Amino acid sequence: QVQLVESGGGVVQPGRSLRLSCVTSGFIFSTYGLNWVRQAPGKGLEWVAVIWHDGSNRFYADSVKGRFTISRDDSKNTLYLQMNSLTAEDTALYYCARVTGLSRMDVWGQGTTVTVSS
Amino acid sequence: DIQMTQSPSSLSASVGDRVTITCQASQDISNYLNWYQQKPGQAPKILIYDASNLETGVPPRFSGSGSGTDFSFTISSLQPEDFATYYCQRYDNLAQVTFGPGTKVDIK
Repeated sequence: QVQLVESGGGVVQPGRSLRLSCVTSGFIFSTYGLNWVRQAPGKGLEWVAVIWHDGSNRFYADSVKGRFTISRDDSKNTLYLQMNSLTAEDTALYYCARVTGLSRMDVWGQGTTVTVSS
Repeated sequence: DIQMTQSPSSLSASVGDRVTITCQASQDISNYLNWYQQKPGQAPKILIYDASNLETGVPPRFSGSGSGTDFSFTISSLQPEDFATYYCQRYDNLAQVTFGPGTKVDIK
């Protein structure tokens, strides 16, 4: 079945970096776009970034632009999020989500938690 | 930037009630709007895509309508498993996304 499994979260000090991974299975990875979406504790959903199916385009929320980089490795069926210069405002549960059509997030992982704290 | 608002931010309802949530965009977004349900401790689940299309496997008591700047999401007869938070999500031609702030539906 279609599955997305995030990993790489943890506790990190402000200003440091972290790389999240999203390992996928059950579908042809190279034919789907993918998103990262985060949710701060007790808050709503915040879109973070998208990468198109062919990797030709990547777009970011203003809140992470210049600090986060989304990438994909089709040989490993894996999506990444490189997060640099982390601040307390980046503390959240990070989800990866598959995109069908233009932006229909039809399959989600269970998330990985990032806590930025000194 | 296009801003999304949702009303109400929360509501209390009983099983069997008809529930309607509205979502408004600050600019015309055509029908580029999806609706998601999120239950506590779970990932979101898509219910409606492109404003009015029911996702496969989603019960028909859920529906969506609207275009341009004004959209609505309706549960025709609220069931116990429908108590959750609902989010609208707009997107653009580049697949950039904005979520609405959410509407929490709880038990009266």
